Amino acid sequence: GQQLNQSPQSMFIQEGEDVSMNCTSSSIFNTWLWYKQDPGEGPVLLIALYKAGELTSNGRLTAQFGITRKDSFLNISASIPSDVGIYFCAGQLGNYGQNFVFGPGTRLSVLP
Amino acid sequence: EAQVTQNPRYLITVTGKKLTVTCSQNMNHEYMSWYRQDPGLGLRQIYYSMNVEVTDKGDVPEGYKVSRKEKRNFPLILESPSPNQTSLYFCASSGHLRYTYEQYFGPGTRLTVT
Repeated sequence: GQQLNQSPQSMFIQEGEDVSMNCTSSSIFNTWLWYKQDPGEGPVLLIALYKAGELTSNGRLTAQFGITRKDSFLNISASIPSDVGIYFCAGQLGNYGQNFVFGPGTRLSVLP
Repeated sequence: EAQVTQNPRYLITVTGKKLTVTCSQNMNHEYMSWYRQDPGLGLRQIYYSMNVEVTDKGDVPEGYKVSRKEKRNFPLILESPSPNQTSLYFCASSGHLRYTYEQYFGPGTRLTVT
């Protein structure tokens, strides 16, 4: 099936630092979604992107839909301890919300 | 409160004993999906449904069945569970509001098959 690549796989940063992670694919997607998962919980949607080139912010989070429609990145500014978790990108195939592909995730650790 | 609920949250069973994991959403969403999550593999889609009585296979459908008889419910059925189906399972739903297709996930069901 389709595959998404996420990098880095994991990262350790100091509180207050900015974070950048990205997601790439060999396929074109119509929608990119970024999720955060806390231990023992389901993924929670952070940002949704619908058009190539779109740049969207949600508080300290900023994400962009790549021009080629094959990649996306997520930035977190001024990290805080509660940013710890696994961040997943997901690409939507098709036009009617039926088929999603997820990346393997980026595990973020924030050191005080 | 808008939410996706799953039951049970934890289940330990033996090989071959049929089981059903229920999923329900209260957001009137058309689309529902089941995923399994395994370490290092992220989330993989098992089945999805675009509306009542309309379902289709995702990336890893083998060994699973689903049904969508009501819009709010989308149960996952394992007719003869095997140890390789030990995993964390998530149900998700998404609507068709203008051009938004965001998925909302349930809390997960941790299944162990011995």
